[in-house]
Amino acid sequence: EAGVTQFPSHSVIEKGQTVTLRCDPISGHDNLYWYRRVMGKEIKFLLHFVKESKQDESGMPNNRFLAERTGGTYSTLKVQPAELEDSGVYFCASRPGTSGGQETQYFGPGTRLLVL
Amino acid sequence: AQSVTQLGSHVSVSEGALVLLRCNYSSSVPPYLFWYVQYPNQGLQLLLKYTSAATLVKGINGFEAEFKKSETSFHLTKPSAHMSDAAEYFCAVSQEYGNKLVFGAGTILRVKS
Repeated sequence: EAGVTQFPSHSVIEKGQTVTLRCDPISGHDNLYWYRRVMGKEIKFLLHFVKESKQDESGMPNNRFLAERTGGTYSTLKVQPAELEDSGVYFCASRPGTSGGQETQYFGPGTRLLVL
Repeated sequence: AQSVTQLGSHVSVSEGALVLLRCNYSSSVPPYLFWYVQYPNQGLQLLLKYTSAATLVKGINGFEAEFKKSETSFHLTKPSAHMSDAAEYFCAVSQEYGNKLVFGAGTILRVKS
C-alpha cells in the first residue's frame, strides 16, 4: 500500500509568486490534514478535510492560503502571493474514517518551501 | 488549550545507553498521545500511541512510553540506544478522536559511538 505522497519535495520561489503544493493521501482515507513547520518552531496544524469538506481550518494563517480537496481524493494547498515568512516544511497527513482504533495520522515526507 | 512541552531540544547519549526523551502535555480531558520520529530527509513515522488502554505503551524499534496522568507526562524510553536511533522525535497530543495534533517543539537525539 502506497503511503502519503507530496509534490514537489522542494520548491524555491520569489516573494510575491504563487506556489501550489499537492498531497495524495493513502487510498481510502477520508481524513486529510495539512501541517506546517516554520524553521526553528514546532509543527503546527493548518486544516483538516473530511472527504471534500473542510472540517477545521482554524490553523490557516491568512487568506493567502487556499486549500482544496476536490472529489475527496488529493488535496492542493496554494499560497498566493508568497511571503518570506511562508518558508518552511509543509506536511500532509491522512487517516482512515471514524471507526475505533483509527486515530493514527500517517504523514507524508513534506514539501520544503523556501521563499526568497 | 492543549500544549506539549518537550524538555531538551537536543539530547546526546552513548550507544548502548538508556534513551529518555521527556514530554509533558496539558489537556482538559484525557488525551490521545503520540510519539513520532523523523529520520533525515524523511517524513514523520509513528513510534507509538496512547489511546486510554494500557498506560505502558510499546512501540516500534524497542521504544516504549508510559502515560502518567498525575504528572501529565508521556516520556519516551529505550533501554539501549543504537546509532540508527539518531533522529528528531516529536511528542503530540490530540484532545478528541481524529482531531488535529498539537506538537511539541521536537527533540533531536544524537547517538555517540
